[in-house]
Amino acid sequence: RKEVEQDPGPFNVPEGATVAFNCTYSNSASQSFFWYRQDCRKEPKLLMSVYSSGNEDGRFTAQLNRASQYISLLIRDSKLSDSATYLCVVPRDTGRRALTFGSGTRLQVQP
Amino acid sequence: GAVVSQHPSWVICKSGTSVKIECRSLDFQATTMFWYRQFPKQSLMLMATSNEGSKATYEQGVEKDKFLINHASLTLSTLTVTSAHPEDSSFYICSARVPGQGIYGYTFGSGTRLTVV
Repeated sequence: RKEVEQDPGPFNVPEGATVAFNCTYSNSASQSFFWYRQDCRKEPKLLMSVYSSGNEDGRFTAQLNRASQYISLLIRDSKLSDSATYLCVVPRDTGRRALTFGSGTRLQVQP
Repeated sequence: GAVVSQHPSWVICKSGTSVKIECRSLDFQATTMFWYRQFPKQSLMLMATSNEGSKATYEQGVEKDKFLINHASLTLSTLTVTSAHPEDSSFYICSARVPGQGIYGYTFGSGTRLTVV
């Protein structure tokens, strides 16, 4: 089983749609989780951290289900500018805490 | 905010030559730098962790003699791809943890697109 697994997509949605991505992780001891956004071959940028109680930042909502070891990201009212690849990220719990990235889910918002 | 400057942004080199990629932390001291590689349509994969003043730690399957990492100062880490081959063509990106920001303080260089012809 991969450490962090995501549906690669692509998800093609119209502007204004609501879209959700899921991610599963294999290490039950993981404590911290993030969603990053990556535009084509650029550096990833932190979108939001994922807290156990779930958290919301504007149109974005992240949730964590520890029992099932999955993380979700919900985007409401999709904008054209949301088109990107969304990476599910889990820090290692050993060593210098390097980040483990999922393969990413590609979102294409269409006019 | 904390910035990591990565150069060059892109490079084309001939097979058999070496290429050096630099990452500098501009306003903080980075004792550790992570080096990732990303092939098309794949995710970022950790290659190695460089540690200031000591040897880098390489991930399984990454040839340390081919990917030379030097972290001689608290603000500079370099990755040299030696005897590059077309299969080394990839997007290389560095990342550092910003002191004092705990698990939330990761910053990335802008990446280097390497094409070996």
